[in-house]
Amino acid sequence: KQEVTQIPAALSVPEGENLVLNCSFTDSAIYNLQWFRQDPGKGLTSLLLIQSSQREQTSGRLNASLDKSSGRSTLYIAASQPGDSATYLCAVPAGNTGKLIFGQGTTLQVKP
Amino acid sequence: DTEVTQTPKHLVMGMTNKKSLKCEQHMGHRAMYWYKQKAKKPPELMFVYSYEKLSINESVPSRFSPECPNSSLLNLHLHALQPEDSALYLCASSQATAGLPYNEQFFGPGTRLTVL
Repeated sequence: KQEVTQIPAALSVPEGENLVLNCSFTDSAIYNLQWFRQDPGKGLTSLLLIQSSQREQTSGRLNASLDKSSGRSTLYIAASQPGDSATYLCAVPAGNTGKLIFGQGTTLQVKP
Repeated sequence: DTEVTQTPKHLVMGMTNKKSLKCEQHMGHRAMYWYKQKAKKPPELMFVYSYEKLSINESVPSRFSPECPNSSLLNLHLHALQPEDSALYLCASSQATAGLPYNEQFFGPGTRLTVL
């Protein structure tokens, strides 16, 4: 059974810092991995999707990496800003069902 | 158009009411999803529709009844709900090519449901 873990559960950093969010999964046979952002009371915004054949994806200040063999993904945020404050979730599909298995999320606070 | 829309944004209902949540997308996606999210928890899958057919029901109580009238619309009919059903209900959609993995899921803003 696939399990997804995110560490840390919460993170507080000063503005301008580069930071790394971690996501680990127990079954390395994944099709892809998706990173989301969620603001309080809002829906999920898709940040990056990494296919199983890819090692990383970049979008602006965000860079996500994937190491299937070790069951890990990282989301790197460069030059953090207060607007980056949100909860970040990673998710992998359960086989080919379309069902996403989510981690518990990392709540990020970037202080001005 | 890369947007999933949901209505209403907020809904308050009594335990004897019947109401419906609506979701719409115009991205040509053939897979649509309902998720339930409680505070400070990740979303939990409820239903998946693929090509307008129900493909996954995560053992959801019958007081929740999904419907997919066409490839762009997804409804969730609610009846005789309990206070513990109060949550944020999220709709999502993705491409679904037959025989291939489902791809990136796009979420709507959600409906905040309160059951009194």
